[in-house]
Amino acid sequence: EAGVAQSPRYKIIEKRQSVAFWCNPISGHATLYWYQQILGQGPKLLIQFQNNGVVDDSQLPKDRFSAERLKGVDSTLKIQPAKLEDSAVYLCASSLQGVAKETQYFGPGTRLLVL
Amino acid sequence: AQSVTQLGSHVSVSEGALVLLRCNYSSSVPPYLFWYVQYPNQGLQLLLKYTSAATLVKGINGFEAEFKKSETSFHLTKPSAHMSDAAEYFCAVIMDTGRRALTFGSGTRLQVQP
Repeated sequence: EAGVAQSPRYKIIEKRQSVAFWCNPISGHATLYWYQQILGQGPKLLIQFQNNGVVDDSQLPKDRFSAERLKGVDSTLKIQPAKLEDSAVYLCASSLQGVAKETQYFGPGTRLLVL
Repeated sequence: AQSVTQLGSHVSVSEGALVLLRCNYSSSVPPYLFWYVQYPNQGLQLLLKYTSAATLVKGINGFEAEFKKSETSFHLTKPSAHMSDAAEYFCAVIMDTGRRALTFGSGTRLQVQP
């Protein structure tokens, strides 16, 4: 079974530029999560989708971050404009139904450096 | 609200020694608890999880953890460390009501000395 796929793996941009990350979850998984992991910290949820609807985006900085999951499969996370503090690893995860006790499966992440 | 505290950002053990990584949680309702491992430049991999069945949970690679409600703890142990266990370990909590996303601790980096 293929895992969660993410691209690109690495991205370097200058502040005020825009960037987009892509995630393809495990086939059949209804729930998709985007987490931000700043160096030295644990991952923090940015947004959670159930199929193509948003379940929780309370910690998403909506003035610069946006995300979509058209057709309820793959997803794109965008930052525009980027700030220095956005330097982090962006992890995508998926789970079968979004039930609390389910395992969330993580992709390899996209490492973003904002200069 | 839920939160996780991992005591010790770095733990160093000798190969063959006991591994003990500490995790305490705070939750207003009975939680589900997870341990994930992260190797360099990789995503997180589930080691084990507690979902209100047996309090002693066995996971992959010889790791296990015990849920202790009275101590609000879910410490991770392994009897004998191997060099390949060197990685970052994250404890996480989730509740069955309200916000259903994982809340992670800040992580513990495990070093294994030869």
